[in-house]
Amino acid sequence: EAGVTQFPSHSVIEKGQTVTLRCDPISGHDNLYWYRRVMGKEIKFLLHFVKESKQDESGMPNNRFLAERTGGTYSTLKVQPAELEDSGVYFCASSQLYLAGGELFFGEGSRLTVL
Amino acid sequence: GESVGLHLPTLSVQEGDNSIINCAYSNSASDYFIWYKQESGKGPQFIIDIRSNMDKRQGQRVTVLLNKTVKHLSLQIAATQPGDSAVYFCAENSGGSNYKLTFGKGTLLTVNP
Repeated sequence: EAGVTQFPSHSVIEKGQTVTLRCDPISGHDNLYWYRRVMGKEIKFLLHFVKESKQDESGMPNNRFLAERTGGTYSTLKVQPAELEDSGVYFCASSQLYLAGGELFFGEGSRLTVL
Repeated sequence: GESVGLHLPTLSVQEGDNSIINCAYSNSASDYFIWYKQESGKGPQFIIDIRSNMDKRQGQRVTVLLNKTVKHLSLQIAATQPGDSAVYFCAENSGGSNYKLTFGKGTLLTVNP
């Protein structure tokens, strides 16, 4: 069975441009999470979807970030316009259970470099 | 704010030795903790978890210890192998029932053959 897949693996853009990251969770996982790690910092929670609904988006840094999960399957995270401080690795994760305790599966991440 | 941190950023051990990676947490209300392993170019991989009603949990070659009195978490790896070389993160479920994890900075474990 395929794990969590993310695309692209690496994106290099200029400040002010737009980038869209995509995540395909494990089939059947209703819960989808976005996390990110910026240089030198810890991995930080961004938001949580349950199916197509945003359950918790308290970690989204500002309104330049827009996450969607239309149809409750794959999710996209758009950064528009990108700033230098957005550079980092964006991880997607999915879980079958809503309650913490089941395993949370992470993708390999999408590395974003903003020049 | 509440945070989870690691005492040692790097740890170097000889193959076959036991490794101990430590983590301090500050949110006394946290009730669930996870250790993740991250290899280069990959995402965090679940190793072992523990709930706050336990003080020890064992897996295959790994043991997690939780000391709620001093808010300390540790990961012990027995007979460390070169394949164990990676960055290890502790993570804390920062309240609520979903996976809103708070991660530590990570410890780089290097296993020398």
